[in-house]
Amino acid sequence: GDSVTQMEGPVTLSEEACLTINCTYTATGYPSLFWYVQYPGEGLQLLLKATKADDKGSNKGFEATYRKETTSFHLEKGSVQVSDSAVYFCALSDGGATNKLIFGTGTLLAVQP
Amino acid sequence: NAGVTQTPKFRVLKTGQSMTLLCAQDMNHEYMYWYRQDPGMGLRLIHYSVGEGTTAKGEVPDGYNVSRLKKQNFLLGLESAAPSQTSVYFCATTAGEETQYFGPGTRLLVL
Repeated sequence: GDSVTQMEGPVTLSEEACLTINCTYTATGYPSLFWYVQYPGEGLQLLLKATKADDKGSNKGFEATYRKETTSFHLEKGSVQVSDSAVYFCALSDGGATNKLIFGTGTLLAVQP
Repeated sequence: NAGVTQTPKFRVLKTGQSMTLLCAQDMNHEYMYWYRQDPGMGLRLIHYSVGEGTTAKGEVPDGYNVSRLKKQNFLLGLESAAPSQTSVYFCATTAGEETQYFGPGTRLLVL
């Protein structure tokens, strides 16, 4: 079945460092891809998404490009801030009638001042 | 608008006790989902609903039941709680455009 694999954490960076969190997927169809972020003590919220190959999603300085040839959707940011400290989840939706999401295991990012 | 709310925020149960978690949404969304979040396992889908009066099993449905009697509410029930059900439970909704909106979560500890 469909699945998402993302790099294990925690990822610890200094403020203003570059961030990459790897995400790869396995899917039989043409899924939409998502990054969700979970700040401490809160629920998940959508960070960005891409619905077809070569699309780039972006929000709050984060970017991810839907790469069909490598089945990847890596999350990147050029300069992280302490406020970016959170857990980041990669997910896919097969676009079926149920709109179900399949999540990766999450990656904890800790940014130090 | 409150969005998606969950009740209670935190609960401690003894093994064998029962409880119901309530998810309420004021966004008029058709689809609602219950997930559990466990360390190192991401979010796993327990049950979901594609509309009022409908429910279906997700990835990990055993030990849980659900009901969707009203469009705005989705209830998750534990008939006989077990320590393995200690987790953080999240409700989510969507209008069908794939983006899901999450509640703040319910922490459940089963002793």
